[in-house]
Amino acid sequence: DAGVIQSPRHEVTEMGQEVTLRCKPISGHDYLFWYRQTMMRGLELLIYFNNNVPIDDSGMPEDRFSAKMPNASFSTLKIQPSEPRDSAVYFCASSPPGNEKLFFGSGTQLSVL
Amino acid sequence: KQEVTQIPAALSVPEGENLVLNCSFTDSAIYNLQWFRQDPGKGLTSLLLIQSSQREQTSGRLNASLDKSSGRSTLYIAASQPGDSATYLCAVERSSWGKLQFGSGTQVVVTP
Repeated sequence: DAGVIQSPRHEVTEMGQEVTLRCKPISGHDYLFWYRQTMMRGLELLIYFNNNVPIDDSGMPEDRFSAKMPNASFSTLKIQPSEPRDSAVYFCASSPPGNEKLFFGSGTQLSVL
Repeated sequence: KQEVTQIPAALSVPEGENLVLNCSFTDSAIYNLQWFRQDPGKGLTSLLLIQSSQREQTSGRLNASLDKSSGRSTLYIAASQPGDSATYLCAVERSSWGKLQFGSGTQVVVTP
């Protein structure tokens, strides 16, 4: 299995631009999570889905952030408009049915100038 | 509000020594606790998961213990190797599935 796949690996954009991060979970996993990691705040859960349905988005910092999961094999995290304080590493993770172990992707390093 | 603390923030040991990493949490009402490893520029790899009803889990040279009443978990790595150099994070899962709260991690360097 290829594991959780995230794209792009690096994204550099200017303030005010729209940013879309993509994630392909491991096939058969029914939970998908979006986390953000910064030096100041560590790892924070933004939102998670179960069977493509958003369960808890209380970690999404502002209305500028939105996430979708149109099918079991694809999810997006969108920031519009982006701001410099959004600069961080964004991780996607998935877990299989009946197992709380999380499998993480390699992350997207986002830099907003 | 649950707080997860890992002390020390960094640790350096010579190869062959046993590693002891600590994790403490303020709210003992946890669902489970996981230990992860993170290599530079990479995602996290789950090492061990301990359910709230368990006291410890073992995998190879790794052993993790859990004491809910005192709000502590310890990760032991026996006979450390340079390949064990990484940042180790613990995370507690609260009442809802998937809502992990992470500690800030302990950066480990094992010198040859």
